[in-house]
Amino acid sequence: DQQVKQNSPSLSVQEGRISILNCDYTNSMFDYFLWYKKYPAEGPTFLISISSIKDKNEDGRFTVFLNKSAKHLSLHIVPSQPGDSAVYFCAARLIIQGAQKLVFGQGTRLTINP
Amino acid sequence: DARVTQTPRHKVTEMGQEVTMRCQPILGHNTVFWYRQTMMQGLELLAYFRNRAPLDDSGMPKDRFSAEMPDATLATLKIQPSEPRDSAVYFCASGSHRVFLSPLHFGNGTRLTVT
Repeated sequence: DQQVKQNSPSLSVQEGRISILNCDYTNSMFDYFLWYKKYPAEGPTFLISISSIKDKNEDGRFTVFLNKSAKHLSLHIVPSQPGDSAVYFCAARLIIQGAQKLVFGQGTRLTINP
Repeated sequence: DARVTQTPRHKVTEMGQEVTMRCQPILGHNTVFWYRQTMMQGLELLAYFRNRAPLDDSGMPKDRFSAEMPDATLATLKIQPSEPRDSAVYFCASGSHRVFLSPLHFGNGTRLTVT
């Protein structure tokens, strides 16, 4: 039962243009949503998050949008840079017994072309 | 810069052998997670601990996988006996429940190949 889904395994974008990565979820109990970025041979690193009570959070070139009614979130990167080429994981948080549990999607491989 | 340390980075073993993966969480973090990265499932949660106590290991195949935290500086994930379908990258992550939204910090993973 995949509670967090990233339906696009890969995305290719021209440098300088906007990258849009999408994520869908099924569990209404998630209270925070996060994006992690992963380079080859490294662990995922935290990028940006959004509370379930917000609909937008911006941090520099990165903006995350949340549409709670559609159970959908997206990450916008503008302008895209070659260093943004990586695998991006969407994650959703549940609090269980006082511990935060992150449920991840399958990941989307973003390639920024010069 | 505090890091989660995982050893070994790579492990190649034959089917049926025991595999032990180790993780040193960031000092002061009291939650530890084991994830497995596969192409189909992405990052699957195998088990997690709070204050060294297991909270949920429902993601693990119980007959062959076991996870423990012998002390606050060491978490282990064991597979016995290993099978080719266990081949994947295994990540350990740690976090602090004392901070409302404390992003998990991941190690660089153990790439396991079972032949």
